[in-house]
Amino acid sequence: NAGVTQTPKFQVLKTGQSMTLQCAQDMNHEYMSWYRQDPGMGLRLIHYSVGAGITDQGEVPNGYNVSRSTTEDFPLRLLSAAPSQTSVYFCASRYGTDTGNTIYFGEGSWLTVV
Amino acid sequence: GESVGLHLPTLSVQEGDNSIINCAYSNSASDYFIWYKQESGKGPQFIIDIRSNMDKRQGQRVTVLLNKTVKHLSLQIAATQPGDSAVYFCAERGNGQNFVFGPGTRLSVLP
Repeated sequence: NAGVTQTPKFQVLKTGQSMTLQCAQDMNHEYMSWYRQDPGMGLRLIHYSVGAGITDQGEVPNGYNVSRSTTEDFPLRLLSAAPSQTSVYFCASRYGTDTGNTIYFGEGSWLTVV
Repeated sequence: GESVGLHLPTLSVQEGDNSIINCAYSNSASDYFIWYKQESGKGPQFIIDIRSNMDKRQGQRVTVLLNKTVKHLSLQIAATQPGDSAVYFCAERGNGQNFVFGPGTRLSVLP
């Protein structure tokens, strides 16, 4: 199993450009989420999904869009990139939301907006 | 312990010594806690978890202690090794199904 796979690993965008960070998991996990990680701060939840066809906003959703058309995939779209979106992005998944279902993270996507 | 700001707290320990990393969580209703290890350039990796109905849980070389009275979590690493150098952070599951993550502590193992 590959676990949680994110692409691209690194990306530089110009302000105003749009792009999609891809995330796929092969563990048949119901729950998927996107976090951003900034220096000195904990992971902050952007959007999450509890199953195919269902998405919801997290703590910092503005400027991002998600969809969950399949169980495996959960892409994150930056609609019009801003320098404040320079960050490291992590996709994560877990089997369910019950206690004991730990979160598995991807390797991260480093995004720079200039 | 955890702190808010641009700089991570750093813990430096001698190789072979025990390490204790602390975390203060915010929600007294949190029922599940996880410790993660994050090496440079990589995603967080699960270390150990604990439910709120427990005070202590042991893994291989790691122990998590939970003090609900003061909302404090600690991670103890026995016989710290160079490979333990990383950022460690705790996560709490409070109301709902999402986790809140602390900013982390950088552990530096000295030879």
